Amino acid sequence: ILNVEQSPQSLHVQEGDSTNFTCSFPSSNFYALHWYRWETAKSPEALFVMTLNGDEKKKGRISATLNTKEGYSYLYIKGSQPEDSATYLCAFLIQGAQKLVFGQGTRLTINP
Amino acid sequence: KAGVTQTPRYLIKTRGQQVTLSCSPISGHRSVSWYQQTPGQGLQFLFEYFSETQRNKGNFPGRFSGRQFSNSRSEMNVSTLELGDSALYLCASSLAGAGVGNQETQYFGPGTRLLVL
Repeated sequence: ILNVEQSPQSLHVQEGDSTNFTCSFPSSNFYALHWYRWETAKSPEALFVMTLNGDEKKKGRISATLNTKEGYSYLYIKGSQPEDSATYLCAFLIQGAQKLVFGQGTRLTINP
Repeated sequence: KAGVTQTPRYLIKTRGQQVTLSCSPISGHRSVSWYQQTPGQGLQFLFEYFSETQRNKGNFPGRFSGRQFSNSRSEMNVSTLELGDSALYLCASSLAGAGVGNQETQYFGPGTRLLVL
């Protein structure tokens, strides 16, 4: 059974602080790692698709790194704002498969 | 460009009934995937269609089925509903599918929330 784990499950951060959380996935048969942001009552929104070991991607204040050899990815948010409050999902794509395996998400709440 | 749309957005059914959910992908996208989210569970993959063919199926009973039409619109059907089928059902579309070229992004719809009483 393929397991994708995210930690922590939830996080409360003060506005202006930076934060990060982790996605762990199997290191074998890696094809890609996706990050999504899911705000309440909205559709999950794609943030990054990461494919190469050592990849670093950035979108505004959000960035992500990837280590395929040890099977983890970090998502960083710099200078958190209230609009960053959401659940952040990672999903692992196995080579040769047409499906994403999702972690349970990290629920981030930014306190003003 | 219009996003992924799903209908209906909310649905209440009783045990034993059947239900059909619809997903219209982004124009030009030929791959549609379906996911289920229940409380306490992450998104669970149901199936993926490309050009009217099911390419992959998740670990769900045969009561869950789907199809895709020539215009790439997809439907999923759940027969003989059980209480445990109450969930948010999301569909996602992409050009060729998540496993075809590893750079593909999937775009999600807003979901259909199904309540089984």
